[in-house]
Amino acid sequence: EAGVAQSPRYKIIEKRQSVAFWCNPISGHATLYWYQQILGQGPKLLIQFQNNGVVDDSQLPKDRFSAERLKGVDSTLKIQPAKLEDSAVYLCASSLGDSRITNTGELFFGEGSRLTVL
Amino acid sequence: AQSVTQLGSHVSVSEGALVLLRCNYSSSVPPYLFWYVQYPNQGLQLLLKYTTGATLVKGINGFEAEFKKSETSFHLTKPSAHMSDAAEYFCAVRGVTGGGNKLTFGTGTQLKVEL
Repeated sequence: EAGVAQSPRYKIIEKRQSVAFWCNPISGHATLYWYQQILGQGPKLLIQFQNNGVVDDSQLPKDRFSAERLKGVDSTLKIQPAKLEDSAVYLCASSLGDSRITNTGELFFGEGSRLTVL
Repeated sequence: AQSVTQLGSHVSVSEGALVLLRCNYSSSVPPYLFWYVQYPNQGLQLLLKYTTGATLVKGINGFEAEFKKSETSFHLTKPSAHMSDAAEYFCAVRGVTGGGNKLTFGTGTQLKVEL
């Protein structure tokens, strides 16, 4: 079974530029998450989708970050304009979703996209 | 709201020694608890999880963790460390949102294994 795919793995940009990250979850997983992991910290949830709807974006800096999951499968996270403090690894994860009684909440993660803002 | 606290951002052990990584949780409902491992330049991989039932949970690579409600703890242990265990370990607690699961992570513990 294919895992969560993310691209690009690495991106270097200058501040005020824009960047986009792509994620393709595990087939059949209804829930998709974007986490931000700053060096030395644990992952922080940015946004959570259930199919193509947003269920939690409370920690997404909406003035510069946006995300979409138009067809309920793959997703794109965009940052525009980037700031120095956006340097981090952006992790995409997926899970089956709460609709299944047997679902115990395990998230499956991609390898991440490392962003460096200069 | 759920949260976890990992005590010790860096832990160093000798190869063959006991590994103990500490995690305490805060939750207003019975928690689901997880330990994830992250190797350099890789994503997070599930080590083990506690949902219900037996409080001693066994995971991959010889790791185990015990859920202790009275101590609100979920410490990760391994009897004998191996060089390949060097990685960063994250404790996480599950919250429930309207449409799916949400994991809240601790700040991580970097495990170093020395010869």
